[in-house]
Amino acid sequence: AQKVTQAQTEISVVEKEDVTLDCVYETRDTTYYLFWYKQPPSGELVFLIRRNSFDEQNEISGRYSWNFQKSTSSFNFTITASQVVDSAVYFCALSEETSGSRLTFGEGTQLTVNP
Amino acid sequence: KAGVTQTPRYLIKTRGQQVTLSCSPISGHRSVSWYQQTPGQGLQFLFEYFSETQRNKGNFPGRFSGRQFSNSRSEMNVSTLELGDSALYLCATTPGVVGTEAFFGQGTRLTVV
Repeated sequence: AQKVTQAQTEISVVEKEDVTLDCVYETRDTTYYLFWYKQPPSGELVFLIRRNSFDEQNEISGRYSWNFQKSTSSFNFTITASQVVDSAVYFCALSEETSGSRLTFGEGTQLTVNP
Repeated sequence: KAGVTQTPRYLIKTRGQQVTLSCSPISGHRSVSWYQQTPGQGLQFLFEYFSETQRNKGNFPGRFSGRQFSNSRSEMNVSTLELGDSALYLCATTPGVVGTEAFFGQGTRLTVV
């Protein structure tokens, strides 16, 4: 069965610090997809990035970067030079080719960026 | 393009009542999934509908049901409400191709008293 673990429940940093959110996943499928979502206080989950299991290339988008490593079943997310607006709950999620659009979420990491 | 629309945004119901929540997907999206979010259990998958058929189902009791209409709009129904059903219910939509990113609505906050 699929599982996603985000061991960091809460992280608090000061503005401009770099912060990495960890995500470890379990799946038996060879084809799967990994996602990161951000949930601000308004409640709506905002899509950040998607990776499929055959693409281990790391990605950078502005201040955001993602490190996907199949060998350790991890898909970590780094925010460089954090800002107060980055404060939110961040979720890592997994979907399997055999499960339609079903997403399995991690527990979420509450990130607080202090001025 | 309009986003995912969920109605109502807030609901207060009494134990034993039933409730119906609605989700209108992004135009062209044929898959609608429902999730329950609670502080204790996190985000849990309820079910997915694709082309008016349930394609996937999570581990929730039969009191939770859903349906999808020909225009892809979806409703979920919870009967015989319990206090533990208090949660944020989120709807997510995709075009239906496996592995594509899902777009979420702002959710319906259900409080059962």
